[in-house]
Amino acid sequence: DIVMTQSPDSLAVSLGERATINCKSSRSVLYTSNNKDYLSWYQQKPGQPPKLLISWASTRESGVPDRFIGSGSGTDFTLTISSLQAEDVAVYYCQQYLAPPLTFGGGTKVEIK
Amino acid sequence: EVQLVESGGGLVQPGGSLRLSCAASGFTLSQKWMNWVRQAPGKGLEWVATVKPDGGQQYYVDSVKGRFTISRDNANNLVYLQMNSLRAEDSAIYFCARGAFDHGWRFDFWGQGTLVTVSS
Repeated sequence: DIVMTQSPDSLAVSLGERATINCKSSRSVLYTSNNKDYLSWYQQKPGQPPKLLISWASTRESGVPDRFIGSGSGTDFTLTISSLQAEDVAVYYCQQYLAPPLTFGGGTKVEIK
Repeated sequence: EVQLVESGGGLVQPGGSLRLSCAASGFTLSQKWMNWVRQAPGKGLEWVATVKPDGGQQYYVDSVKGRFTISRDNANNLVYLQMNSLRAEDSAIYFCARGAFDHGWRFDFWGQGTLVTVSS
């Protein structure tokens, strides 16, 4: 199984400042045949289901603000919120979809400082 | 408008059974991989099961293999999760999630979830 490890567990960032969330996989999620990383990021606000933000490690879904930036390849990935807004308070999860069992990171809670 | 509406959750005793349903609308169900993902209270997300668009292939997390069965009725736009031999650790909100157009194992739309509580 591919284990996904996120860090930190939580972080508090001032409005307008940068938030950085890390995700590490126990083995590469890069599929060499198409050179794509099978890694997504989700945002979950309290009382709501998760929302898909980014797939293929760096491709934003339609309608996702450009302050959400995904980067990385292989085993190390980062979600950056370039300028934190109040509505970004949520828990963020990474997920690998290279192979079953599909696995999520443990989540990172983002709060306002 | 895409909608996924889960139902069938509730309180069940250990060892009991429940069948969850997911009613899909606003898209062609028969073209999509469908998934169940659960979240224990205050905890993270855990993928549970996935079914191919034609229902011919399923995948499960190890902890539910042999106890849970995912299935679908494309004609009636329904996805099911039959849960048997339930344990306390199966208590969670169960989300139905649609597979994305280009890869069914990432989830581009989620329902609101249905709560399953396993307790005596």
